[in-house]
Amino acid sequence: GENVEQHPSTLSVQEGDSAVIKCTYSDSASNYFPWYKQELGKRPQLIIDIRSNVGEKKDQRIAVTLNKTAKHFSLHITETQPEDSAVYFCAASKGDYKLSFGAGTTVTVRA
Amino acid sequence: DAGVIQSPRHEVTEMGQEVTLRCKPISGHNSLFWYRQTMMRGLELLIYFNNNVPIDDSGMPEDRFSAKMPNASFSTLKIQPSEPRDSAVYFCASSGQGPTYEQYFGPGTRLTVT
Repeated sequence: GENVEQHPSTLSVQEGDSAVIKCTYSDSASNYFPWYKQELGKRPQLIIDIRSNVGEKKDQRIAVTLNKTAKHFSLHITETQPEDSAVYFCAASKGDYKLSFGAGTTVTVRA
Repeated sequence: DAGVIQSPRHEVTEMGQEVTLRCKPISGHNSLFWYRQTMMRGLELLIYFNNNVPIDDSGMPEDRFSAKMPNASFSTLKIQPSEPRDSAVYFCASSGQGPTYEQYFGPGTRLTVT
């Protein structure tokens, strides 16, 4: 089955700096890559997703890039703010129902 | 829309007892997912329903776990008998346009089995 690896497991950044989280996937048939944000004690919520026919997608301060050849995708958060502190999960899907999640990255934004 | 609704939000039970978790998906959504989240294993898909039919239950840990979806607006996940290792947060999620569109998660049920 699909194996998604996510790095780093923890990330501490100064407010205003950028944060980058990287994920790799194993199944070249995967074509849908969402990112979820989970605040402490809350539910995971989709923040951005990308499909395999697109190389980059941006939404305000967050962006995702996809390299199909290398089978990796990344989340970029610019101008980080304290409310960006959370656990971020990447996931991959082959276009069916099954999302394979990465292990998560705990992001802490220092004021 | 109220979003995905789960009940109870917290459940504490003793080993050996039956536990039933409930989920109401977003109205109009035809895909429903049950996930389990633990520190050790992360987010795991337990079972997936499409149009009330179980499509894949390969993630269900063992026969002690069962799930039903009697209609489009209600699903249950039952554990009988419960064990301490079942302690986790159980999320229900639903999706509208298809399984690879956004999955909306419920608030989760935190289960503690003592």
